[in-house]
Amino acid sequence: GEDVEQSLFLSVREGDSSVINCTYTDSSSTYLYWYKQEPGAGLQLLTYIFSNMDMKQDQRLTVLLNKKDKHLSLRIADTQTGDSAIYFCAEPGTYKYIFGTGTRLKVLA
Amino acid sequence: GAGVSQSPRYKVTKRGQDVALRCDPISGHVSLYWYRQALGQGPEFLTYFNYEAQQDKSGLPNDRFSAERPEGSISTLTIQRTEQRDSAMYRCASSLTSTRSRASEQFFGPGTRLTVL
Repeated sequence: GEDVEQSLFLSVREGDSSVINCTYTDSSSTYLYWYKQEPGAGLQLLTYIFSNMDMKQDQRLTVLLNKKDKHLSLRIADTQTGDSAIYFCAEPGTYKYIFGTGTRLKVLA
Repeated sequence: GAGVSQSPRYKVTKRGQDVALRCDPISGHVSLYWYRQALGQGPEFLTYFNYEAQQDKSGLPNDRFSAERPEGSISTLTIQRTEQRDSAMYRCASSLTSTRSRASEQFFGPGTRLTVL
């Protein structure tokens, strides 16, 4: 079945690195996405990784993909209070996105 | 210019009333999607359109839910005889295409938060 799993909560201190993990199910996914949801705001595409890549770096963000284990992670370096939000990984089905439950990141000053 | 817009942003209604939620996609986007997001959950697919054709409505919970996109642009999601369990954030997204490519990247609107009393 279709099921994307994430841990629900993560708390880190400002300046530390955050790592948010996700396991997905569809091995044929071409892309995998990370979205950020802030209170009162829409879903913002944060970054994506093409399925033939192992890693993608984008400023403070690093995405790691382990296709064998169907594991995706998002690392945020030098986490700031503005990074506090809910982070969703998503895999595109044939046309509909399958989202994880979201990981609520809390950054402590 | 603008991204996906939705209206109203907030809707409070009484049980049994009908509601209509509007989505205005990014201009030129062929595909339009509706999702529902319950509190503490990720968005779940409801239905999607290519142009004006509804391609898949398998995610609609029951026949009280319907959607249309008559001219291939703006879409309306209608919930008849609302129930308290319909309370959720309803999100709309659009994409250039629906094929598995970078062009299928979905852009999300801010959502409509529906509260049924």
